[in-house]
Amino acid sequence: QVQLQESGPGLVKPSETLSLTCAVSGYSISSGYYWGWIRQPPGKGLEWIGSMYHSGTTYYNPSLKSRVTISVDTSKNQFSLKLSSVTAADTAVYFCARDATSRFDPWGQGILVTVSS
Amino acid sequence: QSALTQPASVSGSPGQSITISCTGTSSDIGSYNLVSWYQQHPGKAPKLIIYEVNKRPSGVSNRFSGSKSGNTASLTISGLQAEDEADYYCCSYTGTGTSCVFGGGTKLTVL
Repeated sequence: QVQLQESGPGLVKPSETLSLTCAVSGYSISSGYYWGWIRQPPGKGLEWIGSMYHSGTTYYNPSLKSRVTISVDTSKNQFSLKLSSVTAADTAVYFCARDATSRFDPWGQGILVTVSS
Repeated sequence: QSALTQPASVSGSPGQSITISCTGTSSDIGSYNLVSWYQQHPGKAPKLIIYEVNKRPSGVSNRFSGSKSGNTASLTISGLQAEDEADYYCCSYTGTGTSCVFGGGTKLTVL
């Protein structure tokens, strides 16, 4: 059974970089699939942030592309998200998920990241 | 990437059927049979219930079905149950170099 778990700071200061990690168990990232990040501001809808193949190929949401970096660490079977120059608008629950061409399954439980000084 | 359009809310009584629409464009829904639907209960992660327009993952009730016509995809839930009360999101592939554009979400209320 594939499981994903997000981790990272729950509070980030404005203008700093948000950094999150998604640990994958029950499946080797190196075996295939894309692996993605999705976020959900409080009370709002879902927004795809970006996805990465185990080989390093990455696809980003054009609206966030200039600030986003997704990377993978196959030795630890995990992948990471970095979002730079954050503002209050980046406050959201961040989810990681396996991405099979716009089919996200399974999902991590999500982690709330608040941007505030 | 513009969000897909969903009704903000729908409602139905137990046992009834409801349909949630998801309208896109010829660049997303109209071009690919890669539409997925997600159910999200409050405080929980979304759950995949339909993929590739009309396929159900293992374990998902056959009360959930999907379809597509032109630039609009639809999710139908038959035999409504109280546990179906949740938010529902559609997602469509938008082409090489991207993954998914989501709809704004629809809140389903079971009366």
